Amino acid sequence: DTGVSQNPRHKITKRGQNVTFRCDPISEHNRLYWYRQTLGQGPEFLTYFQNEAQLEKSRLLSDRFSAERPKGSFSTLEIQRTEQGDSAMYLCASSRPYPTANTEAFFGQGTRLTVV
Amino acid sequence: AQKITQTQPGMFVQEKEAVTLDCTYDTSDPSYGLFWYKQPSSGEMIFLIYQGSYDQQNATEGRYSLNFQKARKSANLVISASQLGDSAMYFCAMREVNTGNQFYFGTGTSLTVIP
Repeated sequence: DTGVSQNPRHKITKRGQNVTFRCDPISEHNRLYWYRQTLGQGPEFLTYFQNEAQLEKSRLLSDRFSAERPKGSFSTLEIQRTEQGDSAMYLCASSRPYPTANTEAFFGQGTRLTVV
Repeated sequence: AQKITQTQPGMFVQEKEAVTLDCTYDTSDPSYGLFWYKQPSSGEMIFLIYQGSYDQQNATEGRYSLNFQKARKSANLVISASQLGDSAMYFCAMREVNTGNQFYFGTGTSLTVIP
């Protein structure tokens, strides 16, 4: 399977704990995106990378959130001191190099986080 | 202002019938792309169809077609010959070439195909 892979698929954590999610994009894709989706809403942009450089971050990405893509391949999204409001589906997507408007993003199956 | 607006929270369609899912968008960038994604209950976003702002013809992909009306800033998805497997959430999205790289998504439409 050469699609976008996310791990874990589900995560339940206690409030105040730290969690880390991993995303493995399609191998030839140099752009990688993180989105958050809450129930009944569309995905909301968090951040994106071109290779290892984090080029854009949303205001939604508070200082408790950090994303890395150290070697331009897989990426991690860490949430520190989780809050119940962080409960959501976290989606990762990747797209081909030098995208223009017609470059679609390919999404993983997401990581569903539940903070109790 | 919302970049993408989907005004139909839920839609029902009889199997084998056609259905139109509405999407309007807002941008001042002359160069942009419009996308439709399907999200089944499993959670994965599946790309369906793309329309570029400079494309002269409406996009088609199998049973999916995009009714692009640029002056009205609408990009409605038409699904012909609906199948039970089409039941899912459908999201309209936009990407602006000159003003950003993220995808903006609407709130989605839940489609239920009735046998």
